[in-house]
Amino acid sequence: QQQVKQSPQSLIVQKGGISIINCAYENTAFDYFPWYQQFPGKGPALLIAIRPDVSEKKEGRFTISFNKSAKQFSLHIMDSQPGDSATYFCAASIGNFGNEKLTFGTGTRLTIIP
Amino acid sequence: DSGVTQTPKHLITATGQRVTLRCSPRSGDLSVYWYQQSLDQGLQFLIQYYNGEERAKGNILERFSAQQFPDLHSELNLSSLELGDSALYFCASSARPGTVGIANTGELFFGEGSRLTVL
Repeated sequence: QQQVKQSPQSLIVQKGGISIINCAYENTAFDYFPWYQQFPGKGPALLIAIRPDVSEKKEGRFTISFNKSAKQFSLHIMDSQPGDSATYFCAASIGNFGNEKLTFGTGTRLTIIP
Repeated sequence: DSGVTQTPKHLITATGQRVTLRCSPRSGDLSVYWYQQSLDQGLQFLIQYYNGEERAKGNILERFSAQQFPDLHSELNLSSLELGDSALYFCASSARPGTVGIANTGELFFGEGSRLTVL
């Protein structure tokens, strides 16, 4: 049973544009929602994360929007750059100490074209 | 560099064989997680260890097993290998709860993975 659904599977955005990736979850016990970025040949690395007590979190060009009632969250990349080309994974977990088991979405391959 | 070390980086073996993947977590991290990444399945959680004890189990096959040793490194053993076991296997670690000066952000630190090819 996939508990975190991610879309789209792939995305092509022009340089300077806005990239938007969406995720939906089922388990209402999830209380931690990170996004991971993965470059080819590397492991995923934390990009930005949000907890459900806020509806938006912004770090530089990256913003998470969170809709608790709809059980959805999304990643927005403003002014997208070629260096942002990577695979992005949303994830969710129940954030108990020492038990940060993440359930990942299936990933979105983002390509930024000049 | 995440501080998590995985070996080997690449491994090619035949069906029916057994392999062992090794992971050294970041210094001080007590939790180790194993994930399998295949093209069509994304990142699938296999198993978690915390300070030597199994903490959580995901979609790990009975042919697979893992352990975490007293020095906190972990090994993932894959036996009776099948073609479908070909994938990237990632190890991750997370900060020790209660570590002074480190908030529990929930962040997992991933190694660069071990690519297993079963022929």
